[in-house]
Amino acid sequence: EAQVTQNPRYLITVTGKKLTVTCSQNMNHEYMSWYRQDPGLGLRQIYYSMNVEVTDKGDVPEGYKVSRKEKRNFPLILESPSPNQTSLYFCASSLWPGSGRGLGYTFGSGTRLTVV
Amino acid sequence: TQLLEQSPQFLSIQEGENLTVYCNSSSVFSSLQWYRQEPGEGPVLLVTVVTGGEVKKLKRLTFQFGDARKDSSLHITAAQPGDTGLYLCAGPSWRSNYKLTFGKGTLLTVNP
Repeated sequence: EAQVTQNPRYLITVTGKKLTVTCSQNMNHEYMSWYRQDPGLGLRQIYYSMNVEVTDKGDVPEGYKVSRKEKRNFPLILESPSPNQTSLYFCASSLWPGSGRGLGYTFGSGTRLTVV
Repeated sequence: TQLLEQSPQFLSIQEGENLTVYCNSSSVFSSLQWYRQEPGEGPVLLVTVVTGGEVKKLKRLTFQFGDARKDSSLHITAAQPGDTGLYLCAGPSWRSNYKLTFGKGTLLTVNP
């Protein structure tokens, strides 16, 4: 089954303790992206990657890091989490997300992160 | 910055009613996508509209792209409880087709 898999689904951590949220896709998509979703603010892009070793900042990259060493994996790293990073995080992949050919995003099921 | 404004923000209706939700922008988009997100899950792509004036149908859902490609609408006929969810529109940034901007969504509740 074609899918984007995120782990973990739920995570509670303490301020300052480094964490990694993993994301893997099995569709051979070149493009992957991380979003956070907050009430009243909608989906905001954190980072995206157009291919292996090619990443770029989205709209809210502060406090996050990413890497794309393999095509299928795109982990999100929080080096020193803070309470304002408490959010619902989504990983997504696509052949070409902005294409008019209907090649939109396939999203993972989300990771609900709470930083206390 | 290209913004997508969705309205209404919340909509609660009875089963069997019709409804329309809107996605508006002051910018022209080359295409617009509609997603539905159910509680606890990621958004799922419903449709992409590309041509100004285009109308696409997906069972009871009808999507329209405005003639000027600045707005889109989603009409649901005879809504069912299974239509409950957050409806999101999204469009590619003028800077790059690799970057999608999302509206904040319309949260639809269909009561039995």
